[in-house]
Amino acid sequence: EVQLVESGGGLVQSGGSLRLSCAVSGFTVSSNYMSWVRQAPGKGLEWVSVIYSGGSTSYADSVKGRFTISRHNSKNTLYLQMNSLRAEDTAVYYCATIRDAYNSVFDYWGQGTLVTVSS
Amino acid sequence: DIQMTQSPSTLSASVGDRVTITCRASQSITGWLAWYQQKPGKAPKLLIYKASSLESGVPSRFSGSGSGTEFTLTISSLQPDDFATYYCQQYNSYPYTFGQGTKLEIK
Repeated sequence: EVQLVESGGGLVQSGGSLRLSCAVSGFTVSSNYMSWVRQAPGKGLEWVSVIYSGGSTSYADSVKGRFTISRHNSKNTLYLQMNSLRAEDTAVYYCATIRDAYNSVFDYWGQGTLVTVSS
Repeated sequence: DIQMTQSPSTLSASVGDRVTITCRASQSITGWLAWYQQKPGKAPKLLIYKASSLESGVPSRFSGSGSGTEFTLTISSLQPDDFATYYCQQYNSYPYTFGQGTKLEIK
């Protein structure tokens, strides 16, 4: 059974930093694509970042240059380092698995971790 | 970026009703479209992928159709568990984008 458990969210001041973690079981992070998706309070879903099995990455324009996605293969954990945080980054952050390169849907999700950026 | 527009934004319906939600893409995404269901305080759940393929374990009352720029999600006979918010998502190209959501409410 695939399980994803996010942690690391919390309250941070504008301009601050936070690192989110996503511990994964039943699925090998290093062999697959993984992503972060966020949802501002009362709003819709927004894709944030992806890391491919080969290690390359991609980001939404809204976070490019401020956020970094990475993984720790032996810990089977995904990370999102968030710097220069802004009020508009306030959201629940979900990590999600991507099925494969052909069908790049988000098929397993964590429960989410709330990031609140105070101005 | 590809814009995804869902309609309606809110839909009121009764148990047993047949409902349809529409999703339009700002440019062709061929069939690279998924549908998700989200309940309050929970993560989204994948229902449909590749426009019309039913995810394993999802009831057969859910179906998807469409190609190019226009897609639909149909629930053939609403059940109490189906009242939730539904999102479409294109995965034709990055950045992957979602529709704004359709909230399905009990009439």
